[in-house]
Amino acid sequence: DTEVTQTPKHLVMGMTNKKSLKCEQHMGHRAMYWYKQKAKKPPELMFVYSYEKLSINESVPSRFSPECPNSSLLNLHLHALQPEDSALYLCASSQDPQPLGTDTQYFGPGTRLTVL
Amino acid sequence: AQSVTQLDSQVPVFEEAPVELRCNYSSSVSVYLFWYVQYPNQGLQLLLKYLSGSTLVKGINGFEAEFNKSQTSFHLRKPSVHISDTAEYFCAGGGTSYGKLTFGQGTILTVHP
Repeated sequence: DTEVTQTPKHLVMGMTNKKSLKCEQHMGHRAMYWYKQKAKKPPELMFVYSYEKLSINESVPSRFSPECPNSSLLNLHLHALQPEDSALYLCASSQDPQPLGTDTQYFGPGTRLTVL
Repeated sequence: AQSVTQLDSQVPVFEEAPVELRCNYSSSVSVYLFWYVQYPNQGLQLLLKYLSGSTLVKGINGFEAEFNKSQTSFHLRKPSVHISDTAEYFCAGGGTSYGKLTFGQGTILTVHP
């Protein structure tokens, strides 16, 4: 099983709402990632979890709050978002966190988020 | 700092024709390079990667890429494309930090019948 699943597929939320994105993998991978992708742009790294600990936060605003409850699950909690946060949010995982970024990352299909 | 440049934002091609998608990198550290494909409304899928060794790398779906250190390039090629190859292709570089990939801006490949 080389699949990373993400739920929901689509999410529409108001600026005062609180919602969560969920990502799951059952490949035994120990690194998990959140990316944000705007239309016609490459993915931008947001967070990296390595062995369930946050190892990289790319200066993401605090209205985005990641959580890694266990090695298979990664959440992204959303609160007080802005319309410019509308994007495709991609989750990825890799087998073993490598210091020089040589590990293959497996991506989920993404959650299309619209903030009204 | 590492950067990855994809020289063409869009590449139109006819079915069964060969295609080359260009990628150049700049780096003062170890170079690890990847090509990913993104089909419409989907996540990214790894096509191939170069870590070391042979400079000609073969990937899935008939794609291959050649690492050229003197020209700092990692161009992606396919000798005969299909309609189903229509997608966006991203070149990415590792080698800087845990899990951090530096992506190029992407090339949209459109295969016409």
